[in-house]
Amino acid sequence: DVQLVESGGGLIQPGGSLRLSCAVSGFTVSANYMNWVRQAPGKGLEWVSVIYSSGGTYYSDAVRGRFTISRDNSKNTLYLQLNSLRAEDTAVYYCATGHSDWSFRFDYWGQGTQVTVSS
Amino acid sequence: YVLTQPPSVSVAPGQTASVTCGGNNIGGKSVHWYQQKAGQAPILVVFDDTHRPSGIPDRFSGSNSGNTATLTVSRVEAGDEADYYCQVWDRSSDNQGVFGGGTKVTVL
Repeated sequence: DVQLVESGGGLIQPGGSLRLSCAVSGFTVSANYMNWVRQAPGKGLEWVSVIYSSGGTYYSDAVRGRFTISRDNSKNTLYLQLNSLRAEDTAVYYCATGHSDWSFRFDYWGQGTQVTVSS
Repeated sequence: YVLTQPPSVSVAPGQTASVTCGGNNIGGKSVHWYQQKAGQAPILVVFDDTHRPSGIPDRFSGSNSGNTATLTVSRVEAGDEADYYCQVWDRSSDNQGVFGGGTKVTVL
């Protein structure tokens, strides 16, 4: 079975930093496209970032320049470094991945980790 | 790239619910649909326009043509009440995922 387990969320002041982790089992992080998706309270899903098997990375306009996606192949773990946090970054952050590297669907999701940006 | 969904759809048990997802020439893209129940992570219910993952009932189906993709839930049950999101991958300007705003399906 494929399992994705996020951690690292919490309460952080505006301007602060946080690193989220997504530990993966049953699926190879380095061989697949790995994503972060977030959901603000009472709002819809918002795609945040992807890292391809090639190592290429892309970001949404809302987070580009502040967030960094990376992976540790030896730990089969995905990360998201969040810097210069703002109140509007408050959300549940999910890691998500799937089987299709041409249509990029999300077959697997973690349970999410809550990030709250507030003074 | 923008995907537009109606905020809400209401349906009686046993009837059919249709959720639309509008986008410029969306028929040229692969559309995926997710179901999200309150307090839970989303699950994939339809991928590549018309395909169902293993374990998803055949009451869930999809179509995609022109500027509109549609998720259809037949013989609706109380357990189908949830938020539904469409999603595509946009390569036109930058490689990124795009979600529709979501549709709340209410079973009357």
